[in-house]
Amino acid sequence: LAKTTQPISMDSYEGQEVNITCSHNNIATNDYITWYQQFPSQGPRFIIQGYKTKVTNEVASLFIPADRKSSTLSLPRVSLSDTAVYYCLVALNTGFQKLVFGTGTRLLVSP
Amino acid sequence: DTEVTQTPKHLVMGMTNKKSLKCEQHMGHRAMYWYKQKAKKPPELMFVYSYEKLSINESVPSRFSPECPNSSLLNLHLHALQPEDSALYLCASSDGLAGATSSYNEQFFGPGTRLTVL
Repeated sequence: LAKTTQPISMDSYEGQEVNITCSHNNIATNDYITWYQQFPSQGPRFIIQGYKTKVTNEVASLFIPADRKSSTLSLPRVSLSDTAVYYCLVALNTGFQKLVFGTGTRLLVSP
Repeated sequence: DTEVTQTPKHLVMGMTNKKSLKCEQHMGHRAMYWYKQKAKKPPELMFVYSYEKLSINESVPSRFSPECPNSSLLNLHLHALQPEDSALYLCASSDGLAGATSSYNEQFFGPGTRLTVL
């Protein structure tokens, strides 16, 4: 399974845009890139998933370059409630998934 | 209903006790998962059930015994645990459909059971 590398922590202020980059050099052809968010003492929650180029939903955007060896999660105008751990994972998009969580990025949003 | 429920929320047990964790989903998902998460660490996959059959066991000690009675339920039976087994145990489910699909195959996680082994 492809291993992912992310910054351990990031700090931001309310209203700013936050970009978290993930490296996945050994991503396989059939792997998708997925991001999860986790608050303390809760289960992770799916944020966004993509295969290539750009994906946008109501909470985030995901940018994937053509070589797919990295990806960037973009959170527009963060608020205090976006303080959480963000995990980048790569996995197949079909069948059951064997998700391997990396260390994740702890995002702290301050007033 | 896009919810995965887990009971109990908290569990304290001694090393000689036998207890069970329960997980339930009513989304018609075909894949169900158990994860273990220690404090300040990422979740670690323990077991995967696909179509009610055990598909992955990540070399988990036999004192953890999973069971999938039907497509909506997943249990984790605990026996003779050690203090180092204290952790947050997370259950998740996903559509689990095989074959090409363009839809997201996300995992839905429950809130977890906080287990303390004394």
